[in-house]
Amino acid sequence: DVKVTQSSRYLVKRTGEKVFLECVQDMDHENMFWYRQDPGLGLRLIYFSYDVKMKEKGDIPEGYSVSREKKERFSLILESASTNQTSMYLCASRDRGRETQYFGPGTRLLVL
Amino acid sequence: GQQLNQSPQSMFIQEGEDVSMNCTSSSIFNTWLWYKQEPGEGPVLLIALYKAGELTSNGRLTAQFGITRKDSFLNISASIPSDVGIYFCAGFNAGNNRKLIWGLGTSLAVNP
Repeated sequence: DVKVTQSSRYLVKRTGEKVFLECVQDMDHENMFWYRQDPGLGLRLIYFSYDVKMKEKGDIPEGYSVSREKKERFSLILESASTNQTSMYLCASRDRGRETQYFGPGTRLLVL
Repeated sequence: GQQLNQSPQSMFIQEGEDVSMNCTSSSIFNTWLWYKQEPGEGPVLLIALYKAGELTSNGRLTAQFGITRKDSFLNISASIPSDVGIYFCAGFNAGNNRKLIWGLGTSLAVNP
């Protein structure tokens, strides 16, 4: 079974703080994704990575950056957290050449 | 970013009832995926469809890939309380930078 883990289930941060969300997958997948989920807006893609050290902007990259130094780990960084980044953040991974994405349990982030 | 039209937005039904939801798109897809997200968790794949006209079942769930390749539906028969959650459709086309295109979800509540 594919396992995608996220470092925290819940996080509370203050406006202006730098926030790191970590995601690890154990299936040697090349592709990894970060989404945010808000009520009524579905899943929106922030960034994705096709391979180590590669990254591509998704639909809403503003205010975020990512890091992929190792194949199994994909980090989402909020350089200076703002209240409008309060959301559920979901990480996913996918094997090269396949369509199905496997999700982690999500991190619910509250920015005060 | 592009999104699929998923309906209905929400459903509140009695245990034992059948449920039907669908997704439509203005674009053609090569693959349709249906996911379920339970409260506080990440989405989990239910059914994957790879061929126009394909009808696939997974227990009480049945999904079909529309002949035009622009739509898909998911049926749940004899609903039970643990069917509660948000159901998402997602379409994949290799020409779309290999990203999944998501519906906004159908929120299902089941009254025991």
